Amino acid sequence: EAQVTQNPRYLITVTGKKLTVTCSQNMNHEYMSWYRQDPGLGLRQIYYSMNVEVTDKGDVPEGYKVSRKEKRNFPLILESPSPNQTSLYFCASSLGGVGTDTQYFGPGTRLTVL
Amino acid sequence: QKEVEQNSGPLSVPEGAIASLNCTYSDRGSQSFFWYRQYSGKSPELIMSIYSNGDKEDGRFTAQLNKASQYVSLLIRDSQPSDSATYLCAVKGDFGNEKLTFGTGTRLTIIP
Repeated sequence: EAQVTQNPRYLITVTGKKLTVTCSQNMNHEYMSWYRQDPGLGLRQIYYSMNVEVTDKGDVPEGYKVSRKEKRNFPLILESPSPNQTSLYFCASSLGGVGTDTQYFGPGTRLTVL
Repeated sequence: QKEVEQNSGPLSVPEGAIASLNCTYSDRGSQSFFWYRQYSGKSPELIMSIYSNGDKEDGRFTAQLNKASQYVSLLIRDSQPSDSATYLCAVKGDFGNEKLTFGTGTRLTIIP
């Protein structure tokens, strides 16, 4: 089954404790992206990756890191989480290019930073 | 100025009626336009994509695009209670720019 998976689905942590949210897709997609979703602010892009070893900042990259060492995986790293990073996070992937650019979303990770 | 704007709602529509959702965007170079449906606590699910001016129909859903006026709309005919969700408009830029920009969404409630 074609899908984007994220782990963990729920996470409660404390300020300053490094964490990683994993994202994996099995569709051989070139493009992967991380979003956070907050009430009233919609989905905002954190980072994206056009291909292996190619990443770039989205609209709200502060406090986050990513890496793309393999095509299928795109982990999101919070080196020192803070309460303002409490949010619902989505990973997404797409093949890329007009007409084949549907983005498929993972199930989401609800993160609470105390 | 927001890049993609939607009325946040809530929009209430009687069951069986037509729900009309609107979206405007600021980047004239945008090439791809999408409507996603999102149930509370769930991930966005693509329901329509449209790339050229005019209407595109898929079952009970019709997407309309007017690039000159920079707006996209979604019509849902014969609205069902299961259509109650938040609808997100998303816009992608020029060819080669894969960034997807989302509106904040319109919350739709279908009243039985």
